[in-house]
Amino acid sequence: NAGVTQTPKFRILKIGQSMTLQCTQDMNHNYMYWYRQDPGMGLKLIYYSVGAGITDKGEVPNGYNVSRSTTEDFPLRLELAAPSQTSVYFCASSGQLLYEQYFGPGTRLTVT
Amino acid sequence: AQSVAQPEDQVNVAEGNPLTVKCTYSVSGNPYLFWYVQYPNRGLQFLLKYITGDNLVKGSYGFEAEFNKSQTSFHLKKPSALVSDSALYFCAVRDDNAGNMLTFGGGTRLMVKP
Repeated sequence: NAGVTQTPKFRILKIGQSMTLQCTQDMNHNYMYWYRQDPGMGLKLIYYSVGAGITDKGEVPNGYNVSRSTTEDFPLRLELAAPSQTSVYFCASSGQLLYEQYFGPGTRLTVT
Repeated sequence: AQSVAQPEDQVNVAEGNPLTVKCTYSVSGNPYLFWYVQYPNRGLQFLLKYITGDNLVKGSYGFEAEFNKSQTSFHLKKPSALVSDSALYFCAVRDDNAGNMLTFGGGTRLMVKP
């Protein structure tokens, strides 16, 4: 079992471009999360999902969109990339709300 | 609102010595507390958690943490540090009055020198 996988590992975008960060988990977890990690900072929650078809905003949702059509997949969409979105993005999942979260390896995104 | 503070950006310790990485929190309800470790260019890995029960929690790789409600702290400890423990450590809290979000501290870099 691969756990949480993310693609791509690295990406450079021009301002105004769009892209989708992919996240898949094979642990049959209900809860999935997207975080961003800026240099020297902790993680900030962008969006999360408590199950297929249900998503909710986290602390920093502006400029992002998500969908959850299946239990396994939780893609994050950037519609109009801005330099402020340069960051490392982590996807995570957990079996229950109080359980530990399992993290993917991250996607390093640069917007220039 | 819930918050977490890790007052030290970096902790330096010699191999074989005990280590402590500090974490304090603020919640309005009951806290659920977690420690994660991040190695370079990797995602976070779960170390241990406090949900309820015994205040001393044991976790992976010989780490433990003590929940202190009166001091609102959840410090991470290890009796004897290894060079391989060098990494970035994050404390996180969820307030049972505040919905589904986990709030992370800013992280503490642990450097263990041989």
